[in-house]
This record gives sequence, structure tokens and C-alpha cells, in this order.
Amino acid sequence: NAGVMQNPRHLVRRRGQEARLRCSPMKGHSHVYWYRQLPEEGLKFMVYLQKENIIDESGMPKERFSAEFPKEGPSILRIQQVVRGDSAAYFCASSRQSGTSGGAGYNEQFFGPGTRLTVL
Amino acid sequence: DAKTTQPNSMESNEEEPVHLPCNHSTISGTDYIHWYRQLPSQGPEYVIHGLTSNVNNRMASLAIAEDRKSSTLILHRATLRDAAVYYCITYSTLTFGKGTMLLVSP
Repeated sequence: NAGVMQNPRHLVRRRGQEARLRCSPMKGHSHVYWYRQLPEEGLKFMVYLQKENIIDESGMPKERFSAEFPKEGPSILRIQQVVRGDSAAYFCASSRQSGTSGGAGYNEQFFGPGTRLTVL
Repeated sequence: DAKTTQPNSMESNEEEPVHLPCNHSTISGTDYIHWYRQLPSQGPEYVIHGLTSNVNNRMASLAIAEDRKSSTLILHRATLRDAAVYYCITYSTLTFGKGTMLLVSP
């Protein structure tokens, strides 16, 4: 039973390019979360998605960032026109059901190994 | 927002118990308390969670205060492999914060 998979593990982009980060949740999980971790900082929640729906994007920057979780295929976090400040580790997590108190708040999240984005 | 407060770092010796505190004074009545830990260069991993009662699993124990405004993660016998950043979160905000860096000495 494969865990959460993220690719690529490392991504280097020049300023102004686009970055696409992929996350395949664990089998049977229909909820995906994206987090960003800057160097020496904690994890910051970005967005929470269910299949074909964005449930909570309160942590997403208003511009250049978008996320999707299509009916088929992995969840994608897309960063357009990257800047140096986007350099960070991006973690994806999945859960079987809702991870928030609005749903079954006891469902643990399983994290992927992360994608380390470096913007030159 | 039900935010959490944790000490920046704690130290322990191998084979000794470790008590990692967390304050969550604004937690709502339906929020679960979850603990995760993150080893260097890895994604976080689930440790334990609870609502009102104390909980035990193979990794740790979770002691929850009666008023639920604080909790303590207990590692019964710390090992070198337990050296990590420990995060306490409540699920209303999914905010991890900076966590507590646990240093374990041989």
C-alpha cells in the first residue's frame, strides 16, 4: 500500500517560470491538503481539496498560486511566474475523510516526502 | 482561531521520559488535538490524537487537561530516533506553527 507520493522531489526554476507540483494521495483517500514550509519555519496550511472541489483555500496567496484535484489523476499545485520567495518545501497530505472539525476531525493526515522548490 | 503554543525546544537524555506541552486555550468543544512529528528532511508523520480522554498508542501517550486548554505528549523512553520537531495542532485551522524541537542526547 503505497503512501502519499509527490513529484518531483526537487524542482529548480528560474524567476518568472512556472512550477507544477504533483501529489498522489494514498489509495482510498479523497481529501488532499497542501502545506508550505519555509526554511527554519513551521508548516503553513495552503489549501484543502476534495475530488474536483476546493474546500478551503484560506492559506493560498491570492495571486500566482492555484490548486486542483481532478476526478482522475494527482492533485496539482501550480505556481506561476515564480519568485525567489517561493523557494520552500511543499508538502502534500491526504486523509480518508475530512480533516477539519466540520467533518470527522479525527482522521489523521498522511504526508508525502515533499517537493523542494528552488527559484534561482 | 484555535491556535496552539509550544516551547521552541526541549532536551532529553536517551531512555528517559519526555513530556512535551501544548497550550490550546481557544480550542472549541469539537476540535480534536493532534500531534505530528517531523524528522529532518522528511514530511511530518502522525503521532497521536485525542478529544477529551487520555490516549495511548505504540508511539506515545497523550494527556489532555480536563478543561482541554492544554495537552501533553508523553514519550515514555526517548530514543535518538525520537529527535524531531513535534507539532500540536487543533483541526479547526490546520495551523502547525513552529512546533517543539526535541533534542535527545545519548
